[in-house]
Amino acid sequence: DTAVSQTPKYLVTQMGNDKSIKCEQNLGHDTMYWYKQDSKKFLKIMFSYNNKELIINETVPNRFSPKSPDKAHLNLHINSLELGDSAVYFCASSQKGRATGELFFGEGSRLTVL
Amino acid sequence: AQSVTQLDSQVPVFEEAPVELRCNYSSSVSVYLFWYVQYPNQGLQLLLKYLSGSTLVESINGFEAEFNKSQTSFHLRKPSVHISDTAEYFCAVSENDYKLSFGAGTTVTVRA
Repeated sequence: DTAVSQTPKYLVTQMGNDKSIKCEQNLGHDTMYWYKQDSKKFLKIMFSYNNKELIINETVPNRFSPKSPDKAHLNLHINSLELGDSAVYFCASSQKGRATGELFFGEGSRLTVL
Repeated sequence: AQSVTQLDSQVPVFEEAPVELRCNYSSSVSVYLFWYVQYPNQGLQLLLKYLSGSTLVESINGFEAEFNKSQTSFHLRKPSVHISDTAEYFCAVSENDYKLSFGAGTTVTVRA
C-alpha cells in the first residue's frame, strides 16, 4: 500500500480552467502539506493542515483552495489556472507537531497549463 | 525566519569517487536539519537528520552529514558513490512544528 498517494499523476489543461488534485495518506498522521516544485526543482511550501485545521498558508493566491475533509485527506483545488501554475505538486504528511519528524511525500502530480 | 543555501546546483562525479554536497542555513533559533533525496520521477525521501546529540549523523546507504553550529553548516558526504546515487538532494531546516524549508537542491550525476 502506498503511504501517501496523489491523483492524478499528470494533468494537462488550458489556461482559465479549474482543476483538483487529491491526496490521501494511510499512515495515521495528523499533519498534511502541499508543496510546489517549480521547473528549477525549487520546493516551496504552500499549505499545512493539522487535523483538518489550516496551520500554514504561505501567501498562495486565493485561486488555490485546499480542503481537508478528514485528517487522512488533503485536496487541492485550483481555479482559473495560469501558465505560472505549471509545476509538480507534492503532498506530504507527518506526525502531529513534530519538527523532528520525517515528512512522507507522495510521488507528485505534474500540472501543465497550456 | 530560517533559510537554506545549497552552494552547488550540480555535482557531476565518477563512480566510486567521493562526493560532498554543501549546505548552509541561517536561523536565529535552534533548528533541526535534514537531507532529503529525490530519485527521478519520485517524491522526496528522508536520507538523514540532525536533531541533537552527536554532530555526525549517518544514513543506512553510506551517506553522512556533520552539523557545524559555528559555521551554520550541514554538509553531506559519501566516500564512494554508486550509479544509483544519481538523484536530486535537498537540504532542509525546521524551526517550528509545521514548516520545513528546503534549499534549492543539488543535482548529483554519477558517471561510470
